[in-house]
Amino acid sequence: EAQVTQNPRYLITVTGKKLTVTCSQNMNHEYMSWYRQDPGLGLRQIYYSMNVEVTDKGDVPEGYKVSRKEKRNFPLILESPSPNQTSLYFCASSWDSGSYEQYFGPGTRLTVT
Amino acid sequence: KQEVTQIPAALSVPEGENLVLNCSFTDSAIYNLQWFRQDPGKGLTSLLLIQSSQREQTSGRLNASLDKSSGRSTLYIAASQPGDSATYLCAVRGGYSTLTFGKGTMLLVSP
Repeated sequence: EAQVTQNPRYLITVTGKKLTVTCSQNMNHEYMSWYRQDPGLGLRQIYYSMNVEVTDKGDVPEGYKVSRKEKRNFPLILESPSPNQTSLYFCASSWDSGSYEQYFGPGTRLTVT
Repeated sequence: KQEVTQIPAALSVPEGENLVLNCSFTDSAIYNLQWFRQDPGKGLTSLLLIQSSQREQTSGRLNASLDKSSGRSTLYIAASQPGDSATYLCAVRGGYSTLTFGKGTMLLVSP
């Protein structure tokens, strides 16, 4: 089954404790991206990757890192999480950065206390 | 910077009614526009994708139109059902590989 998976689905952590949210897709997509969703602000893009070893900032990259060492995986790293990073995070992938539709993962609900 | 607005923010209709959700965007230089559905606490499900060169797309009871020059898109849902209750999101794909979302329309279809 074609899908985008994220782990963990739920995470509660404390300020400053480094964490990684994994994202994996099995569709051989070149383009992957991360979004956060906040009430009243909607979905905003954090980072995206056009292909292996190619990443770039989205609208709200501060406080986040990403890497793309393999085509299927695109982890989101929070080196020193803060309470304002409490949010619902989505990973997405598509064949390319232009014409094709994006497929979304189920989301990771992160709470930073 | 691209801005996407969805009207109305919330909509409540009785079952069986036809309805229209609206999406407007400020920069007409887009690759495509995509409509999603999001159920509470869940991920996004793609409903329809309209390329910038297209005027409309249909899938079952859903029809989406695009008027790129005026920066507008509509999602038409025919014969609404309680199972259509969800938040509907519009997103435009523009330059620099960005996808900009509207804040969504929360739809409730009552039996």
